[in-house]
Amino acid sequence: EAAVTQSPRSKVAVTGGKVTLSCHQTNNHDYMYWYRQDTGHGLRLIHYSYVADSTEKGDIPDGYKASRPSQENFSLILELASLSQTAVYFCASRVQGATEVFFGKGTRLTVV
Amino acid sequence: GDSVTQTEGQVALSEEDFLTIHCNYSASGYPALFWYVQYPGEGPQFLFRASRDKEKGSSRGFEATYNKETTSFHLQKASVQESDSAVYYCALGDHTGYQNFYFGKGTSLTVIP
Repeated sequence: EAAVTQSPRSKVAVTGGKVTLSCHQTNNHDYMYWYRQDTGHGLRLIHYSYVADSTEKGDIPDGYKASRPSQENFSLILELASLSQTAVYFCASRVQGATEVFFGKGTRLTVV
Repeated sequence: GDSVTQTEGQVALSEEDFLTIHCNYSASGYPALFWYVQYPGEGPQFLFRASRDKEKGSSRGFEATYNKETTSFHLQKASVQESDSAVYYCALGDHTGYQNFYFGKGTSLTVIP
């Protein structure tokens, strides 16, 4: 079973502060994703990566940066957190050539 | 752009009722279609997929048939149980090699014992 681990599982951040969400996968998957989940919007793609040291913009990248320093790790960075970024964030991964995506348990971020 | 529409935001059923959750898609090319299920406190989990017209995907008693003519992939189960209570997401893999997966807004299913 593919394992995707997110940390922290929840966080309270101050408006204007910097937030880093971390994701680690142990299955040597090529692709990694960051999704945002909001009530009424479902899951929306923020950034993704298909190889270490490279990231791509998803559908809603504004206000977010991503970093993939290694095959296993993928971070989401909010340089200046805003109230509108309060949401649950999911990291996911998949192997190239396969279509099943494996999700982590999510990080609940509250910006106050 | 590619998109998925789930008609029902919330569904409440009694045990042993028949379930249908509607999913329609809009995409160029020939996308793969998926259903994911999310239990409380967990991330979404892959349920099943279909990749071509008239293909049926199924798992755990749930099934859906890819219909290219009506651009639909409706989820059905003949007899729901309380343990099926969860959020169900329809999704499609884009035609450029599945680099992106587009999810619907989700349907929250509550099964009353």
